[in-house]
Amino acid sequence: DAKTTQPPSMDCAEGRAANLPCNHSTISGNEYVYWYRQIHSQGPQYIIHGLKNNETNEMASLIITEDRKSSTLILPHATLRDTAVYYCIVSSGNYGQNFVFGPGTRLSVLP
Amino acid sequence: EAGVTQSPTHLIKTRGQQATLRCSPISGHTSVYWYQQALGLGLQFLLWYDEGEERNRGNFPPRFSGRQFPNYSSELNVNALELEDSALYLCASNRGQQYEQYFGPGTRLTVT
Repeated sequence: DAKTTQPPSMDCAEGRAANLPCNHSTISGNEYVYWYRQIHSQGPQYIIHGLKNNETNEMASLIITEDRKSSTLILPHATLRDTAVYYCIVSSGNYGQNFVFGPGTRLSVLP
Repeated sequence: EAGVTQSPTHLIKTRGQQATLRCSPISGHTSVYWYQQALGLGLQFLLWYDEGEERNRGNFPPRFSGRQFPNYSSELNVNALELEDSALYLCASNRGQQYEQYFGPGTRLTVT
């Protein structure tokens, strides 16, 4: 499965949109992009995933570039409870979808 | 709908002992995954069970083992515990390998 690169940390003002980038330049055609977040040693929480089209759910939006080499997770109105480590993962689902978690991005939402 | 549950929440063992961790997947999910998250480190894939069979394992020694029961719940066993086995052990489930995983709250294992 492809590796991802994320900035180690980001700040965002409460109420503003948080845009978290992820680079996955070696992604294969059958690999999905998944986003999870982990709040202080709790179990990771699923946020959203996509293949090539942009996706939106009640939590966030996922924008995938046309060449699929990068993506952005958007939290439209960040709150203090969105402070967490955000992980971008690419996986095809083959071989059991054993996710490879990198260090992620530590997002701090500031009042 | 109930989420993934894990027990116990905390477990304290001494070096050389065995630990057993349990996981109940979301109803309807047939695959269970185990991950280890040592303090300050990222999550590392341990094991994948599907339909009662071990399908894949990560780069961990054989003393990490487990099984999946007919009701799709799973057990992770760690034999001959070492101090570096102290970590948060996370279980996740999904309804098939093409679908997103949902994680439980984890079991924090401390080896003294």
